[in-house]
Amino acid sequence: GAGVSQTPSNKVTEKGKYVELRCDPISGHTALYWYRQSLGQGPEFLIYFQGTGAADDSGLPNDRFFAVRPEGSVSTLKIQRTERGDSAVYLCASSYYGTAPGELFFGEGSRLTVL
Amino acid sequence: KQEVTQIPAALSVPEGENLVLNCSFTDSAIYNLQWFRQDPGKGLTSLLLIQSSQREQTSGRLNASLDKSSGRSTLYIAASQPGDSATYLCAVRQREYGNKLVFGAGTILRVKS
Repeated sequence: GAGVSQTPSNKVTEKGKYVELRCDPISGHTALYWYRQSLGQGPEFLIYFQGTGAADDSGLPNDRFFAVRPEGSVSTLKIQRTERGDSAVYLCASSYYGTAPGELFFGEGSRLTVL
Repeated sequence: KQEVTQIPAALSVPEGENLVLNCSFTDSAIYNLQWFRQDPGKGLTSLLLIQSSQREQTSGRLNASLDKSSGRSTLYIAASQPGDSATYLCAVRQREYGNKLVFGAGTILRVKS
């Protein structure tokens, strides 16, 4: 596609429920990132994929958060037993990684509200 | 641990003014620095990318400089317009900590007509 696509754009759920957020990166981009942004803050790193594997998942806050990218393209961020503190905008970005890290391109984000 | 600070946190200027947004970072071992724009409720739009070996990049009315040794970058906006109103974020790409971008909290810019 022309840009990074994220679905859903908005998700309202109840505390304790399971949520999946999807990211479709720019075609040909090998690197994919998930970030989380709270109101008035800059995005915080969650996880980075190079191809199918998670190259760095040091930003995942706890074991309720998990992400996959099984075919090296689309990625899904999965949140189990959601808590009110998980409410935020979840941003996905992709980039081409050649001999050096390239420019990151972000999607519009998925706004998660946990009631 | 890399920390990125943006000053000022908010800025309000009349249309037509030239302005400077500041970004500082604590660890100079970076691959590059990227400036983004974020409109309310939207994702991030990349404005300029400066590689660690470069001193500045220009795009239209925007000019970004990088002084890696002192850990500073500035974004210069010439002849500001109301359409420039947005949050501006800077982010550095680490060398030692994989490929993550570390972001500042942003500068909220309002250009009054």
